Amino acid sequence: AQSVTQLGSHVSVSEGALVLLRCNYSSSVPPYLFWYVQYPNQGLQLLLKYTSAATLVKGINGFEAEFKKSETSFHLTKPSAHMSDAAEYFCAVSEGSGYSTLTFGKGTMLLVSP
Amino acid sequence: GAVVSQHPSRVICKSGTSVKIECRSLDFQATTMFWYRQFPKQSLMLMATSNEGSKATYEQGVEKDKFLINHASLTLSTLTVTSAHPEDSSFYICSARQGAAGENTQYFGPGTRLTVL
Repeated sequence: AQSVTQLGSHVSVSEGALVLLRCNYSSSVPPYLFWYVQYPNQGLQLLLKYTSAATLVKGINGFEAEFKKSETSFHLTKPSAHMSDAAEYFCAVSEGSGYSTLTFGKGTMLLVSP
Repeated sequence: GAVVSQHPSRVICKSGTSVKIECRSLDFQATTMFWYRQFPKQSLMLMATSNEGSKATYEQGVEKDKFLINHASLTLSTLTVTSAHPEDSSFYICSARQGAAGENTQYFGPGTRLTVL
């Protein structure tokens, strides 16, 4: 079984500040990990993914995440927040090998203030 | 690349009617598509996995006779909400999986907002 925990349903930052969204996972097999972003009334857009290659993954819009097996974490960061980053962010996990479904965290709403 | 579309984006219907939602992978073939439901300010709940040419696999608690899924081609899956009731009102999102088993990446459509009066 696999699960995802996203700490903090809401995170508030000022424009230009560091963004840190936390994600911890549980998986009985080596996982694949994903971060998606959702803007209001829209679908999910893939930000980045970890699929057992480099542990530091760079994604779109300046986001990156680091896979830390010892901490079972895959936190999402961005050095400098922009107003347009305000959205809901979802971390998801799937079993790494073969085909499997995605298990999503509950999401974290990122609020960016001027 | 990896674009998924959904149609319609928004639909309002009367209680008791049926509604069909289409999900298309525009620039790749998807042997597997997924249907999710999302309630306001909540995460996505997987409803079913749709495999091209075979019956869909429904998650526990999802009524297969109410939510009919057809995956007739490698680029199209449809979800039909039959005899819709107000409690079926929700945001429905599909995704299509691209790549081999080692990739396992899902790309999502823009969603369909269903309102049942």
